[in-house]
Amino acid sequence: ETGVTQTPRHLVMGMTNKKSLKCEQHLGHNAMYWYKQSAKKPLELMFVYNFKEQTENNSVPSRFSPECPNSSHLFLHLHTLQPEDSALYLCASSQDLVGRGMIRYNEQFFGPGTRLTVL
Amino acid sequence: GQQLNQSPQSMFIQEGEDVSMNCTSSSIFNTWLWYKQDPGEGPVLLIALYKAGELTSNGRLTAQFGTTRKDSFLNISASIPSDVGIYFCAGQDAGGTSYGKLTFGQGTILTVHP
Repeated sequence: ETGVTQTPRHLVMGMTNKKSLKCEQHLGHNAMYWYKQSAKKPLELMFVYNFKEQTENNSVPSRFSPECPNSSHLFLHLHTLQPEDSALYLCASSQDLVGRGMIRYNEQFFGPGTRLTVL
Repeated sequence: GQQLNQSPQSMFIQEGEDVSMNCTSSSIFNTWLWYKQDPGEGPVLLIALYKAGELTSNGRLTAQFGTTRKDSFLNISASIPSDVGIYFCAGQDAGGTSYGKLTFGQGTILTVHP
């Protein structure tokens, strides 16, 4: 496997279900991201993990719960979702550089996404 | 929050024509990125720009980082059917608490007729 992979590619779930999305990056990067892409809207950043620490939580509802066990894997745990949560969920990774007290963020590489439908 | 206005929202062109799209921002960015997204796939990076005034090419694609650091454009020359997709601009923050976060434009849907 190369690049950024996501599973499953498609998921249909009811509002009472619990499911998880998985992302794996094979690029040796140290930062990973979850984005939500809804129709006719810009990509929305949900979560950022730098060096396995969550550094951003972009006001995401608690029914979305991220987990980053190591720098190569990122999960998004879903429970009691709403129909408006139906969207394409994209994972991305980047190699961020730390030096002189600041972080330089580099280009993000995206996975193919998981198409989520909430009934 | 920051906003990016990307235009046009969609384009319908004939094969062989040149294409131009642009993004403008309400604030300064220190990096501009252009991505293309094919149906059912994630965005793929086309060109990255790091300096105001920078002009960079990648095959038939040319992108420029505006001198005000608040805009960028992407040109595609001699379009071909496989250029079809959604093109996104993205800006990376210049500072503050959101340093490094990407802000995306709404996308330009490109259709190329053979």
